[in-house]
Amino acid sequence: DGGITQSPKYLFRKEGQNVTLSCEQNLNHDAMYWYRQDPGQGLRLIYYSQIVNDFQKGDIAEGYSVSREKKESFPLTVTSAQKNPTAFYLCASSSPATSGSNEQYFGPGTRLTVT
Amino acid sequence: SQQGEEDPQALSIQEGENATMNCSYKTSINNLQWYRQNSGRGLVHLILIRSNEREKHSGRLRVTLDTSKKSSSLLITASRAADTASYFCATAGANAGGTSYGKLTFGQGTILTVHP
Repeated sequence: DGGITQSPKYLFRKEGQNVTLSCEQNLNHDAMYWYRQDPGQGLRLIYYSQIVNDFQKGDIAEGYSVSREKKESFPLTVTSAQKNPTAFYLCASSSPATSGSNEQYFGPGTRLTVT
Repeated sequence: SQQGEEDPQALSIQEGENATMNCSYKTSINNLQWYRQNSGRGLVHLILIRSNEREKHSGRLRVTLDTSKKSSSLLITASRAADTASYFCATAGANAGGTSYGKLTFGQGTILTVHP
């Protein structure tokens, strides 16, 4: 059953703590993305990775970090430097180089609440 | 920065009616895509239209693209209560094949409510 998974679905943390959100895909996609969505808003790109061991900052990278050690995995760490971390986080993947299409496949999201 | 601007922000219709959502963007694109999001869930890809295409159909969906006006519309015909969701347009920059090819810029979405 191919797809992209995110865990956990809900996450609660105290202010000042770092937290890591998981994203795994078994679609053999080269590219992976992290987005943040605030209530009633569109998606804003945090980080993306086109290939293993390489990633680039998106539009709102401050206070976040990522790694891409394996093709299947792209974890996102929300650090204590992120001023307003409470949001819905979405991970996506695509394979534009091999499929010729940059259609993105999304995970179910993680809702992070920091108090 | 948000490239896509969607209109209307919210749309409420009766089952069986058609729903039209519009998207405008600012810079040249390689393609434009529409996605659907049910409340609290991930996005699902609906349809992609390339910059050299003017109209595309998929089931009850019809998408148009006017590159001279930098705008697109999504028409859902004979709507159903199950179509209730948020709909987002997303644009891919014109640098096709470059490192930014996979990146999409999303609009803020239209919330569609279809009443049974």
